Amino acid sequence: DGGITQSPKYLFRKEGQNVTLSCEQNLNHDAMYWYRQDPGQGLRLIYYSQIVNDFQKGDIAEGYSVSREKKESFPLTVTSAQKNPTAFYLCASSRGLSNYGYTFGSGTRLTVV
Amino acid sequence: GQQLNQSPQSMFIQEGEDVSMNCTSSSIFNTWLWYKQDPGEGPVLLIALYKAGELTSNGRLTAQFGTTRKDSFLNISASIPSDVGIYFCAGRTQGGSEKLVFGKGTKLTVNP
Repeated sequence: DGGITQSPKYLFRKEGQNVTLSCEQNLNHDAMYWYRQDPGQGLRLIYYSQIVNDFQKGDIAEGYSVSREKKESFPLTVTSAQKNPTAFYLCASSRGLSNYGYTFGSGTRLTVV
Repeated sequence: GQQLNQSPQSMFIQEGEDVSMNCTSSSIFNTWLWYKQDPGEGPVLLIALYKAGELTSNGRLTAQFGTTRKDSFLNISASIPSDVGIYFCAGRTQGGSEKLVFGKGTKLTVNP
């Protein structure tokens, strides 16, 4: 079955360390997205990519980096520059930007101690 | 960025009651979507709407694309405990950047 997989489900890191969250999809979707979710804040867009080797900043890109070397993969790195990295991170994909809903992964809960 | 106003923020209801929630925007939208997020999981698409006035059902869920194209409504009839979760509206503006804009969610609690 096609889907979008995020790993790991739970991640613990020490303050000051970079950490990379994985997102893989086998839906043949062109566009991929990373969102951050905090209680009461809804979904805030970090980065998105419409096509391989291209990506754009979202509303809260500071302290994060991404790459899109393959259509199926869109990893997110949370760097030490991110002031408050503890959150629930969601990856999503869609066939394109226009007129399609997003398919979401099951999320990664990152806790920085 | 673009804002969607979703209300209410939270609801506490008894099993069997009907539920209504809505989203409004200052801009005209050409797509409205409703998602449900179970605790600790990613959102799942419930209903998609593409035409003003469109009314679509999915089991006990019914959603409508407002005639002004600036709002959408979701109703859940005869709620059950598994309806618990966060419901998000999402929309795409007419002539906008084409990325989805999300509401902040309505957290639903159903008491058995």
